[in-house]
Amino acid sequence: NAGVTQTPKFRVLKTGQSMTLLCAQDMNHEYMYWYRQDPGMGLRLIHYSVGEGTTAKGEVPDGYNVSRLKKQNFLLGLESAAPSQTSVYFCASNLLETPYNEQFFGPGTRLTVL
Amino acid sequence: SQQGEEDPQALSIQEGENATMNCSYKTSINNLQWYRQNSGRGLVHLILIRSNEREKHSGRLRVTLDTSKKSSSLLITASRAADTASYFCATAVGGSNYKLTFGKGTLLTVNP
Repeated sequence: NAGVTQTPKFRVLKTGQSMTLLCAQDMNHEYMYWYRQDPGMGLRLIHYSVGEGTTAKGEVPDGYNVSRLKKQNFLLGLESAAPSQTSVYFCASNLLETPYNEQFFGPGTRLTVL
Repeated sequence: SQQGEEDPQALSIQEGENATMNCSYKTSINNLQWYRQNSGRGLVHLILIRSNEREKHSGRLRVTLDTSKKSSSLLITASRAADTASYFCATAVGGSNYKLTFGKGTLLTVNP
């Protein structure tokens, strides 16, 4: 199993450009999450999904949109990138009924907005 | 806002020594988890402790939870250079048993 994969690994955007980050998991997990990690800030939840076709806002959702058309994929979109969105983005997933609730993380996408 | 706050922010020890990291949180929790992040990588789950548990062990890891003080500690015994990483606590709060709030992390450096 590949676990959680993220595409791309690195990206540089200019202010105002748009892009989509792709997260894929092959563990049949119900729940998926997008976080951003900034220096000294830890991880902050952007959006999450509790199942195919559902999405919900997290702590810092402004400027981002998400879609979960297939159970295994969770897309994060930036419609008009801003320098404040320069960050490392992590996707994670876990099972609906796991007693341990651990989240499995992807390797991250490093995004720079100029 | 950050639910969990780790202390210290950075810790440097020699190989073989024990490392202790602390986490404080603000509101009642369902469970508390610890994750490790190696430089440039994603987070890896280490251990989970439920709100009705006080101590848990996993290999060289020992986690304690004091709900009256709203705090947890992670002890790594007989540390190795490979333990060098950032360590984060994460809490599941309220009606959510799955949505986690992460602290800012402790950077542990284990010198050979």
